[in-house]
Formats: sequence, C-alpha cells, structure tokens
Amino acid sequence: DIQMTQSPSSLSASVGDRVTITCRASQTISSYLNWYQQKPGKAPNLLIYAASSLQSGVPSRFSGSGSGTDFTLTISSLQPEDFATYYCQQSYSPPRTFGQGTKVEIK
Amino acid sequence: EVQLVQSGAEVKKPGESLKISCKGSGYSFTSYWIGWVRQMPGKGLEWMGIINPGDSESRYSPSFQGQVTISADKSISTAYLQWSSLKAADTAMYYCARGAVRFDSWGQGTLVTVSS
Repeated sequence: DIQMTQSPSSLSASVGDRVTITCRASQTISSYLNWYQQKPGKAPNLLIYAASSLQSGVPSRFSGSGSGTDFTLTISSLQPEDFATYYCQQSYSPPRTFGQGTKVEIK
Repeated sequence: EVQLVQSGAEVKKPGESLKISCKGSGYSFTSYWIGWVRQMPGKGLEWMGIINPGDSESRYSPSFQGQVTISADKSISTAYLQWSSLKAADTAMYYCARGAVRFDSWGQGTLVTVSS
C-alpha cells in the first residue's frame, strides 16, 4: 500500500491567515492526489482533485500544488468556516489510501 | 442533485451479521463506482473498497479483504456493505461515496455500534 503522511497533524491559526498543509506519498503518485475537508459530525467534502484542480463549488481561496511525492494544500485567507480537519488521498492505485489528517483549529 | 442516502444507525452484538445500504439518486447509478470508507471514533478515514454497480466488479483494501463484502443492486440503485460476523472493533462510522479515483459526493454516514 502507498502510505500518505500529512504534516502538521494539527495547527492553530487566526482568521485571515495563510495556511499550508503538506502531504507526502511513500512512492511517486504523479498528480493523483485529492484533498478533502471534514467538519465535526459531517461527511468529508472534496476540495481539490488531481493535485491542483478545484472541485466545483469550492471557494477559490483553496488551492493545491505538487507532483511526484510532495503536495501542498493552501488556504490563502482562512475563514471561520474553514476550521476543520483536512485529509489528502492518493488516487494512483488501490487501496486509495488517506493521510492521517490535519486539524485546523482557531488560535 | 446527486444524493447518496445511507441506512440508519445500527446497534449489534459481537458475532451478529449486518448489511448496510447506500442509495444513489440524481445521476446514472451505473456510470460511477461507489466506495466505502471507515472512520473509527476519533480517528481518520480508511479506504475499504469500491464497486462498479454496472457489472459488480469490486476491489478491496487488503486490510478489509475477507472481513467485509461490498455488493450492489443496480435495479434499485443501491450499494451495500456487509459483515457476516461483527466484532467490537467494527464499531465505526461508515460512509459511502461516489467515484473510483476521487469521491465527489458522500452519503451522510451510518454509525455501527458493536457491543455485548
């Protein structure tokens, strides 16, 4: 299985901050990388697919980059509704494993 | 509007069997794979497996192969996740989601509690 490692596991930030979350794959996965947001008690929601493509309806403050083994999710200006847990997922090969998650908390 | 509606919460005893469901609507059910994701209490997301409702081809994570069965009935646009003998360690929220390489629509989740 391809292992996905996110960093940090959690972070504290203020509204308006620029936030970056990283995800590293245990082997090259080209651009087969998705990002999801999950709020407490809710199902996850797809934000970014194919490393940098914004899912329809997702605000443009979210962006993704990277290829190979190293990827980033950036929130350009953190909004109150962005406090949540974020997961990366490789879609290169089954099982399409998730990272362990990054919890974004209010500072 | 694409919707995946899952069956309700279940409370079961160890050793019992269970089948939970996920009904798709608002799109061509046979045109998209359906996947299942486990989330244990306070933990992250785990990819369990996927099924093609059109021909019932399925793929499992090695961690779940032999532990669960994924199936689908395209005549009623419904996918299933089933256990033949539940364990306490199966206590979790289970989500279905649409897609093979990315999950672009999710069900609301089914909470399964296994306790004696």
